Amino acid sequence: DAKTTQPTSMDCAEGRAANLPCNHSTISGNEYVYWYRQIHSQGPQYIIHGLKNNETNEMASLIITEDRKSSTLILPHATLRDTAVYYCIVRAYNQGGKLIFGQGTELSVKP
Amino acid sequence: GAVVSQHPSRVICKSGTSVKIECRSLDFQATTMFWYRQFPKQSLMLMATSNEGSKATYEQGVEKDKFLINHASLTLSTLTVTSAHPEDSSFYICSANSWGTRNTEAFFGQGTRLTVV
Repeated sequence: DAKTTQPTSMDCAEGRAANLPCNHSTISGNEYVYWYRQIHSQGPQYIIHGLKNNETNEMASLIITEDRKSSTLILPHATLRDTAVYYCIVRAYNQGGKLIFGQGTELSVKP
Repeated sequence: GAVVSQHPSRVICKSGTSVKIECRSLDFQATTMFWYRQFPKQSLMLMATSNEGSKATYEQGVEKDKFLINHASLTLSTLTVTSAHPEDSSFYICSANSWGTRNTEAFFGQGTRLTVV
Protein backbone atom coordinates (compact mmCIF):
# COMPACT_ATOMS: atom_id res chain seq x y z
CA ASP A 1 0.00 0.00 0.00
CA ALA A 2 1.08 3.55 -0.67
CA LYS A 3 2.46 5.26 2.42
CA THR A 4 1.57 8.79 1.38
CA THR A 5 -1.52 10.97 1.33
CA GLN A 6 -2.05 13.73 -1.22
CA PRO A 7 -4.96 15.95 -2.20
CA THR A 8 -6.85 14.57 -5.17
CA SER A 9 -6.64 17.72 -7.25
CA MET A 10 -5.35 21.28 -7.24
CA ASP A 11 -5.53 24.30 -9.51
CA CYS A 12 -2.80 26.84 -10.08
CA ALA A 13 -2.62 30.01 -12.14
CA GLU A 14 0.00 30.12 -14.86
CA GLY A 15 3.15 31.90 -13.70
CA ARG A 16 2.37 31.38 -10.03
CA ALA A 17 4.05 28.94 -7.70
CA ALA A 18 2.38 25.57 -7.33
CA ASN A 19 2.71 24.07 -3.86
CA LEU A 20 1.81 20.39 -3.69
CA PRO A 21 1.59 18.87 -0.20
CA CYS A 22 2.20 15.28 0.82
CA ASN A 23 1.75 13.52 4.14
CA HIS A 24 3.99 10.57 4.99
CA SER A 25 3.57 10.24 8.73
CA THR A 26 4.82 6.64 8.88
CA ILE A 27 8.06 7.28 6.99
CA SER A 28 11.05 5.30 8.25
CA GLY A 29 14.49 6.69 8.95
CA ASN A 30 16.01 5.15 5.82
CA GLU A 31 13.25 6.16 3.45
CA TYR A 32 13.55 8.98 0.97
CA VAL A 33 10.73 11.10 -0.41
CA TYR A 34 10.48 10.95 -4.19
CA TRP A 35 8.32 13.01 -6.51
CA TYR A 36 7.31 11.95 -9.99
CA ARG A 37 4.78 13.37 -12.39
CA GLN A 38 2.81 11.82 -15.20
CA ILE A 39 1.52 13.78 -18.11
CA HIS A 40 -1.46 12.17 -19.77
CA SER A 41 -0.66 8.90 -21.58
CA GLN A 42 3.07 9.09 -20.87
CA GLY A 43 5.39 7.31 -18.48
CA PRO A 44 6.15 9.00 -15.15
CA GLN A 45 8.92 11.57 -15.07
CA TYR A 46 11.33 11.94 -12.16
CA ILE A 47 11.25 15.37 -10.52
CA ILE A 48 13.21 15.38 -7.28
CA HIS A 49 13.92 13.41 -4.13
CA GLY A 50 15.22 14.09 -0.62
CA LEU A 51 15.87 12.58 2.78
CA LYS A 52 15.62 15.36 5.35
CA ASN A 53 17.19 18.48 3.88
CA ASN A 54 15.42 20.74 1.47
CA GLU A 55 16.38 20.10 -2.12
CA THR A 56 16.26 22.17 -5.28
CA ASN A 57 16.93 21.39 -8.90
CA GLU A 58 16.07 22.92 -12.24
CA MET A 59 12.52 21.62 -12.09
CA ALA A 60 11.37 22.12 -8.53
CA SER A 61 12.09 22.52 -4.84
CA LEU A 62 11.32 19.98 -2.15
CA ILE A 63 10.64 21.13 1.38
CA ILE A 64 10.61 18.41 4.04
CA THR A 65 9.41 19.17 7.56
CA GLU A 66 11.82 18.66 10.42
CA ASP A 67 9.90 15.62 11.70
CA ARG A 68 9.83 14.28 8.10
CA LYS A 69 6.14 13.50 8.35
CA SER A 70 5.21 15.74 5.47
CA SER A 71 6.71 17.52 2.50
CA THR A 72 5.83 20.07 -0.16
CA LEU A 73 6.83 20.09 -3.79
CA ILE A 74 7.14 23.59 -5.18
CA LEU A 75 7.03 24.45 -8.85
CA PRO A 76 8.18 28.07 -8.70
CA HIS A 77 6.60 29.36 -11.91
CA ALA A 78 3.99 26.94 -13.16
CA THR A 79 3.34 26.72 -16.88
CA LEU A 80 0.54 25.03 -18.79
CA ARG A 81 2.94 22.17 -19.54
CA ASP A 82 3.15 21.42 -15.82
CA THR A 83 -0.44 20.16 -15.89
CA ALA A 84 -0.05 16.53 -14.79
CA VAL A 85 -0.63 14.05 -11.99
CA TYR A 86 2.04 14.43 -9.32
CA TYR A 87 3.01 11.44 -7.21
CA CYS A 88 4.75 11.59 -3.83
CA ILE A 89 6.41 8.27 -2.96
CA VAL A 90 8.55 7.10 -0.08
CA ARG A 91 11.20 4.53 -0.79
CA ALA A 92 14.21 3.14 0.99
CA TYR A 93 17.42 4.26 -0.66
CA ASN A 94 20.05 1.88 -1.94
CA GLN A 95 17.80 -1.12 -2.20
CA GLY A 96 16.86 -0.83 -5.84
CA GLY A 97 13.41 -0.74 -4.33
CA LYS A 98 10.12 -0.72 -6.12
CA LEU A 99 8.04 2.42 -6.27
CA ILE A 100 4.51 2.08 -4.95
CA PHE A 101 2.28 4.74 -6.42
CA GLY A 102 -0.65 6.28 -4.57
CA GLN A 103 -3.41 8.23 -6.27
CA GLY A 104 -1.38 11.40 -6.65
CA THR A 105 -2.52 14.99 -7.10
CA GLU A 106 -3.96 16.10 -10.40
CA LEU A 107 -2.56 19.59 -10.93
CA SER A 108 -4.29 21.81 -13.44
CA VAL A 109 -2.42 24.94 -14.44
CA LYS A 110 -4.83 27.49 -15.85
CA PRO A 111 -4.10 30.52 -18.02
CA GLY B 1 18.51 11.75 -17.42
CA ALA B 2 18.82 8.13 -18.45
CA VAL B 3 16.62 6.80 -21.23
CA VAL B 4 14.29 3.83 -21.06
CA SER B 5 12.54 2.87 -24.27
CA GLN B 6 9.45 0.74 -24.66
CA HIS B 7 8.26 -0.91 -27.84
CA PRO B 8 5.67 -0.86 -29.21
CA SER B 9 4.02 2.31 -27.96
CA ARG B 10 0.63 1.09 -29.10
CA VAL B 11 -0.67 -2.35 -30.06
CA ILE B 12 -4.02 -3.82 -30.96
CA CYS B 13 -4.42 -7.58 -30.87
CA LYS B 14 -7.15 -10.15 -31.17
CA SER B 15 -8.51 -11.94 -28.16
CA GLY B 16 -6.61 -15.17 -27.51
CA THR B 17 -3.34 -14.06 -29.04
CA SER B 18 -0.13 -13.14 -27.21
CA VAL B 19 1.62 -9.81 -27.21
CA LYS B 20 5.23 -9.05 -26.33
CA ILE B 21 6.32 -5.68 -24.98
CA GLU B 22 9.99 -4.74 -24.83
CA CYS B 23 11.69 -2.46 -22.33
CA ARG B 24 15.23 -1.33 -22.99
CA SER B 25 17.63 0.79 -21.00
CA LEU B 26 19.52 2.71 -23.67
CA ASP B 27 22.45 4.26 -21.85
CA PHE B 28 22.87 2.30 -18.64
CA GLN B 29 22.76 -1.25 -17.39
CA ALA B 30 19.57 -2.09 -15.55
CA THR B 31 19.93 -4.90 -13.07
CA THR B 32 16.33 -4.44 -11.99
CA MET B 33 13.29 -3.51 -14.01
CA PHE B 34 9.69 -3.13 -12.93
CA TRP B 35 6.47 -3.61 -14.84
CA TYR B 36 3.37 -1.59 -14.07
CA ARG B 37 -0.17 -1.55 -15.39
CA GLN B 38 -2.44 1.46 -15.40
CA PHE B 39 -6.16 1.52 -16.11
CA PRO B 40 -7.92 4.76 -17.13
CA LYS B 41 -8.25 7.32 -14.36
CA GLN B 42 -6.25 5.12 -12.00
CA SER B 43 -2.73 5.11 -10.61
CA LEU B 44 0.09 2.81 -11.65
CA MET B 45 -0.12 -0.68 -10.20
CA LEU B 46 3.09 -2.64 -9.80
CA MET B 47 2.84 -6.03 -11.47
CA ALA B 48 6.28 -7.55 -11.05
CA THR B 49 9.97 -7.02 -10.42
CA SER B 50 12.31 -8.31 -13.07
CA ASN B 51 15.91 -9.13 -12.11
CA GLU B 52 18.55 -9.86 -14.72
CA GLY B 53 19.34 -13.54 -14.88
CA SER B 54 16.70 -14.70 -12.42
CA LYS B 55 12.98 -15.26 -12.19
CA ALA B 56 10.68 -12.33 -11.84
CA THR B 57 8.90 -11.61 -8.58
CA TYR B 58 5.19 -11.05 -9.04
CA GLU B 59 2.93 -8.93 -6.87
CA GLN B 60 -0.01 -10.56 -5.17
CA GLY B 61 -2.87 -11.19 -7.53
CA VAL B 62 -0.79 -11.03 -10.72
CA GLU B 63 -0.83 -14.27 -12.71
CA LYS B 64 2.73 -15.23 -13.56
CA ASP B 65 1.65 -17.67 -16.25
CA LYS B 66 -0.34 -14.99 -17.99
CA PHE B 67 2.23 -12.21 -17.75
CA LEU B 68 5.55 -13.76 -18.70
CA ILE B 69 8.61 -11.69 -17.89
CA ASN B 70 12.09 -12.29 -19.23
CA HIS B 71 15.14 -10.23 -18.27
CA ALA B 72 17.86 -11.94 -20.24
CA SER B 73 20.31 -9.06 -20.42
CA LEU B 74 21.22 -5.93 -18.50
CA THR B 75 19.49 -3.74 -21.05
CA LEU B 76 16.34 -5.66 -21.98
CA SER B 77 13.27 -6.96 -20.21
CA THR B 78 10.20 -8.27 -21.99
CA LEU B 79 6.62 -8.68 -20.84
CA THR B 80 4.47 -11.13 -22.76
CA VAL B 81 0.73 -11.01 -22.24
CA THR B 82 -0.40 -14.52 -23.10
CA SER B 83 -3.86 -15.41 -24.37
CA ALA B 84 -4.91 -11.80 -24.12
CA HIS B 85 -8.51 -10.89 -23.34
CA PRO B 86 -10.31 -7.55 -23.53
CA GLU B 87 -9.91 -7.08 -19.77
CA ASP B 88 -6.12 -7.07 -20.31
CA SER B 89 -6.48 -3.86 -22.28
CA SER B 90 -4.45 -1.32 -20.36
CA PHE B 91 -1.43 0.98 -20.34
CA TYR B 92 1.70 -1.01 -19.51
CA ILE B 93 4.76 0.85 -18.27
CA CYS B 94 8.23 -0.34 -17.40
CA SER B 95 10.88 1.28 -15.28
CA ALA B 96 14.54 0.53 -14.80
CA ASN B 97 16.90 0.96 -11.88
CA SER B 98 20.63 0.88 -12.14
CA TRP B 99 22.21 -0.65 -9.11
CA GLY B 100 25.25 1.25 -7.93
CA THR B 101 25.27 4.06 -10.43
CA ARG B 102 21.90 5.70 -10.90
CA ASN B 103 20.13 3.91 -8.12
CA THR B 104 18.75 7.10 -6.70
CA GLU B 105 15.93 7.26 -9.18
CA ALA B 106 13.93 5.02 -11.44
CA PHE B 107 13.58 5.81 -15.12
CA PHE B 108 10.34 5.05 -16.90
CA GLY B 109 9.52 4.07 -20.43
CA GLN B 110 6.91 5.94 -22.40
CA GLY B 111 4.36 3.16 -21.93
CA THR B 112 2.55 0.73 -24.21
CA ARG B 113 -1.15 1.06 -24.87
CA LEU B 114 -2.58 -2.44 -25.35
CA THR B 115 -6.04 -2.89 -26.79
CA VAL B 116 -7.46 -6.40 -27.05
CA VAL B 117 -10.41 -6.74 -29.41
